[in-house]
Amino acid sequence: AQSVSQHNHHVILSEAASLELGCNYSYGGTVNLFWYVQYPGQHLQLLLKYFSGDPLVKGIKGFEAEFIKSKFSFNLRKPSVQWSDTAEYFCAVNSNFGNEKLTFGTGTRLTIIP
Amino acid sequence: EADIYQTPRYLVIGTGKKITLECSQTMGHDKMYWYQQDPGMELHLIHYSYGVNSTEKGDLSSESTVSRIRTEHFPLTLESARPSHTSQYLCASSDIFGGSQGKLFFGSGTQLSVL
Repeated sequence: AQSVSQHNHHVILSEAASLELGCNYSYGGTVNLFWYVQYPGQHLQLLLKYFSGDPLVKGIKGFEAEFIKSKFSFNLRKPSVQWSDTAEYFCAVNSNFGNEKLTFGTGTRLTIIP
Repeated sequence: EADIYQTPRYLVIGTGKKITLECSQTMGHDKMYWYQQDPGMELHLIHYSYGVNSTEKGDLSSESTVSRIRTEHFPLTLESARPSHTSQYLCASSDIFGGSQGKLFFGSGTQLSVL
C-alpha cells in the first residue's frame, strides 16, 4: 500500500521568504505525484503534478516541485512567498498503472506573515 | 471553477440519527469519490464510483453507504450516527481521463459533528 508523509504540520514564514515543504512517499512501483492546495474558504484544488519526464515541474502561482526518485521525495518550493499563499498544502500520490485513487498526506498549514 | 456542491456545509446531530450528506456535480463526470478527513490527519478514501450503479469501498473502512443512481448525484448515508463519525467529509469528481491523472475536483466539504 502506498503512503505519503508530510513532516511539516504548520509552517510560518514572512513575505518574500523562500519556501520548501517536504513530501515523502512510500510505494514500490512507478507513481504519479501531486500537490493540492486549499486556500481559506475555498475548495481543495490541484497545484501541480508529476507523471514522467523532467523531474522539476512547475505549477501555478510560481510554485514548483522536484521529484527525487532515490529519496522518494516530491518537495514543493517557491522562491519568494506572498501573503496570498497562506493555505493548506497536501501532497498526494497514485500508482502509474491506471489506479486513480489518490493517497494524501496529512497536509501542511502555511501561514504567511505580511 | 469547480462545479461540485456539497450540502450541508455544517451538520450537528444527535447519536442514533440517520443522515444523508449530499454531493452533486454539474460537469458530467463519471467518477466520484468520498474522502474523510479528521483534523491533522490524511484524507482517506471511503467510497468511490466509476459511474451509474457503480459503487466501491475505499481504503478506509466506513460504516457509511453510498448510492449512484444518477451521474451527477453521489449521496452518502449514515443509518445511525455515532460520535466516532464526527469528521469532515469531502466529495470529489473527475472525468475519465482526469481521474487517472489525479485531477480531482473537490466540493467544499461537510463538517459533521455527532453529539
